[in-house]
Amino acid sequence: AQSVTQPDIHITVSEGASLELRCNYSYGATPYLFWYVQSPGQGLQLLLKYFSGDTLVQGIKGFEAEFKRSQSSFNLRKPSVHWSDAAEYFCAVGAGNYGGSQGNLIFGKGTKLSVKP
Amino acid sequence: DTEVTQTPKHLVMGMTNKKSLKCEQHMGHRAMYWYKQKAKKPPELMFVYSYEKLSINESVPSRFSPECPNSSLLNLHLHALQPEDSALYLCASSQDSRGGIHEQFFGPGTRLTVL
Repeated sequence: AQSVTQPDIHITVSEGASLELRCNYSYGATPYLFWYVQSPGQGLQLLLKYFSGDTLVQGIKGFEAEFKRSQSSFNLRKPSVHWSDAAEYFCAVGAGNYGGSQGNLIFGKGTKLSVKP
Repeated sequence: DTEVTQTPKHLVMGMTNKKSLKCEQHMGHRAMYWYKQKAKKPPELMFVYSYEKLSINESVPSRFSPECPNSSLLNLHLHALQPEDSALYLCASSQDSRGGIHEQFFGPGTRLTVL
């Protein structure tokens, strides 16, 4: 069965420091991978996605992620964190055809990012 | 327009009330979703509509009744809810190529409180 693991429940970094959020997936075929961000009480915003091709993908807000098939990982990185990056981050994998039409997303449990001034 | 809108933003209802949540998108997407999200948890899929037809119902209790009147609108009718149904209800939409995976665009959610 497909699954997504985000090992870190809560991470605190200082403003201006670099950030890496970990994501590991379990999926039999080539995965479709996503990172979403959610501010408190808000919906989810797509940061970036990986479908195929270059394993280093660039997203919005200065984020990037690297797909490593050998490690079943899709870690999210940012070189310099801003206070406005404090939020919940969800990694998700597209689970393939579901009911013959649209594929489903399987979410990790999320990592809460706090930013110290 | 790359926005999914949801109304109302907040809703408080009693266990005997009937209310509806609304979701709208104008991106030409043909797949629309309802998710339920409890505090400090990831979204849980409730329903998927594909080309205005219900394609997935994740064993959701019948007190939640989805409706897709057209390709841009998605409703969630609520009746006889329980306090444990209090949560953030998220709507999302995506392209539907009947075989591919596409990113889902989420609305801001409706914060539902059941008294």
